[in-house]
Amino acid sequence: DIQMTQSPSSLSASVGDRVTITCRASQSISRYLNWYQQSPGSAPKLLIYAASSLQSGVPSRFSGSGSGTDFTLTISSLQPEDVATYYCQESYKTPRYRFGQGTKLEIK
Amino acid sequence: EVQLVESGGGLVQPGGSLRLSCEASGFNFGRHEMNWVRQAPGKGLEWVSYISESGSSIYYADSVKGRFTVSRDNAKSSLYLQIITVRAEDAALYYCVRDSGYNSAFDYWGQGTLVTVSS
Repeated sequence: DIQMTQSPSSLSASVGDRVTITCRASQSISRYLNWYQQSPGSAPKLLIYAASSLQSGVPSRFSGSGSGTDFTLTISSLQPEDVATYYCQESYKTPRYRFGQGTKLEIK
Repeated sequence: EVQLVESGGGLVQPGGSLRLSCEASGFNFGRHEMNWVRQAPGKGLEWVSYISESGSSIYYADSVKGRFTVSRDNAKSSLYLQIITVRAEDAALYYCVRDSGYNSAFDYWGQGTLVTVSS
C-alpha cells in the first residue's frame, strides 16, 4: 500500500506569510496527488488536483507543485480564512485512495 | 447546484447494523463514480468505499471489507452504504463524495452523517 506522509503536522504562521506544506508518497505516484482544505466544522473542499491544477473557485494564492514522491502545497499570502486542516490524497492506486494524516494550520 | 445529503446515521450497538443513504441532486448522478469517506472524531480522513458509475465495479478499504456493502440507484440519484457487525472503530462522520473524473479528485462532499457506536 502507498503511504502518504505530510509535514509538518501543525504550524502557526502570521497573516501575509508564505506557507508551505509538504506531502511525501512511499512510492512514485506521478502527478496523481490532490489537496483538500477542511475548515473547522466543515466538510473537506478540493483545492488542487493533479498536483498543480487549481480547482475552480479556489483563490490563486493557493498553488501546488511536485511529481513522483514529493509534493508541496503553498499559500502565497496567508489569510485568516485559511485556518484549516489540509490533507493530501493520492489517486494513483485507484480506486483505493490514501490520505495524508493532515496538517493543521493556525494563525499566530 | 450540486448537493449531496447523507442520512441514516445514529447510535448503534456493537455488532449491530445500519444503512446510510446519500441523495444527490444538481448533476447527472449516473455519470459519476462515487465514494464514501469517513472521519473519526478528531481524526483524519479515511477512504472507505468506491462504486463505479454503473455499480459494476466496487472496492473497499481493508478495514471494512466483508462488513460494508456499497450500492447505488441511479434512477433515484442515491448512494447507499450498508454496515453490519458494527465495531467501535466504525464510529465516525461518514461523507458521501463525488469523483470529479479528473485525477480521481473528490470535488463535492456532503455534510456527513454521524455514526456513534455504544452499548
